Amino acid sequence: DAGVIQSPRHEVTEMGQEVTLRCKPISGHNSLFWYRQTMMRGLELLIYFNNNVPIDDSGMPEDRFSAKMPNASFSTLKIQPSEPRDSAVYFCASSQTANSPLHFGNGTRLTVT
Amino acid sequence: DQQVKQNSPSLSVQEGRISILNCDYTNSMFDYFLWYKKYPAEGPTFLISISSIKDKNEDGRFTVFLNKSAKHLSLHIVPSQPGDSAVYFCAASANYGGSQGNLIFGKGTKLSVKP
Repeated sequence: DAGVIQSPRHEVTEMGQEVTLRCKPISGHNSLFWYRQTMMRGLELLIYFNNNVPIDDSGMPEDRFSAKMPNASFSTLKIQPSEPRDSAVYFCASSQTANSPLHFGNGTRLTVT
Repeated sequence: DQQVKQNSPSLSVQEGRISILNCDYTNSMFDYFLWYKKYPAEGPTFLISISSIKDKNEDGRFTVFLNKSAKHLSLHIVPSQPGDSAVYFCAASANYGGSQGNLIFGKGTKLSVKP
């Protein structure tokens, strides 16, 4: 079990640039979640998928954020254009079923200057 | 408005003693509670959970207590070990048996266990 794999581990970009974060969930897990962690707000759910279908994206901050899950083994979170306030650690998590405990990746630390 | 609150940002305990981490919640609809542990530069890992039909759940050195009337839960670690030093997150859901997409996390308590 390789766990949830996120890439890159660190991303530094300039304001206005497009950022793409990637996630490979644990094989066989049917649910995938994107979280953002900041000092001010803690861990917040952005969006989650069940069987590759987006179920709830109400946590996505604004239209600059988009997420896709083209297949069961891959998901992306895109920010376009990025802004300094997007700087945070972004976690991807997967679970075997929608109501199983989450398995988190090690996160992507995003810095937008 | 925080629905899940961990009022102690940090806690320091001596090795071998008990660690008690506290969590309060405001939403009476929450019926499933979890604790996650997080080491630096890693993602949170699931530790233990409890549903609202129970008031205690035990797993080795870790015990979670739920007081529904007080809307309070706590995590006890006995005996504490230096390897337990981490940030502990409390999380709650109003949809037990449903999707984890409804999980609300507290901001975490940093536990330091001193040898």
